[in-house]
Amino acid sequence: EVQLVESGGGLVQPGGSLRLSCAASGFTFNTHWMSWVRQAPGKGLEWVANIKEDGSAKYYVDSVKGQFTISRDNAKNSLYLQMNSLRAEDTAVYYCARGKSGYYTRDYWGQGTLVTVSS
Amino acid sequence: QSALTQPRSVSGSPGQSVTISCTGTSSDVGGYNYVSWYQQHPGKAPKLMIYDVNKRPSGVPDRFSGSKSGNTASLTISGLQAEDEADYYCCSYAGNYLYVFGTGTKVTVL
Repeated sequence: EVQLVESGGGLVQPGGSLRLSCAASGFTFNTHWMSWVRQAPGKGLEWVANIKEDGSAKYYVDSVKGQFTISRDNAKNSLYLQMNSLRAEDTAVYYCARGKSGYYTRDYWGQGTLVTVSS
Repeated sequence: QSALTQPRSVSGSPGQSVTISCTGTSSDVGGYNYVSWYQQHPGKAPKLMIYDVNKRPSGVPDRFSGSKSGNTASLTISGLQAEDEADYYCCSYAGNYLYVFGTGTKVTVL
């Protein structure tokens, strides 16, 4: 069974940093693109970042370029999102999602971790 | 990277059909046959319902179908059931490994 479990969310002050993790199991992690998608409270979904199977390519939505860094450790079956210079508008539930092999979509999602940026 | 446009809400009685539109541009929806639809119940993670415009993952009822014409994609739910009440989001590939989601539509079963 495919499982994605996010962790690392919490309350952080504006300007602070946070590192999210996503532990993957139930599939061959290093054969799938992975993504982070976020959802602000009461708002819609927003794609944040993608990373290729081997970590050699990374892509970001314009609003987080230079601020967030996606990475992965295939030996640990883990996906990460390093978030710096956090702002109130980064407050959201952050979901880890698996790319469906060979397709331009995400087929499994974690339950999400809440990041709250507030003083 | 502007969000795709969806109606805020649609509703229907049990057994009826509803259709949700998702309008983008020639740079996303119109440029690729890579539109997905996700269902999200309150407090839950999104669930993939349709990918590649009209393909259903295993386990998704055939009441759910997708289509596309020009810059607008559509999700149709036939034979509406109570458990279909949820938020629905479209998502399109936008080139250069970038993606854009729709604004979301709340489906209400009357």
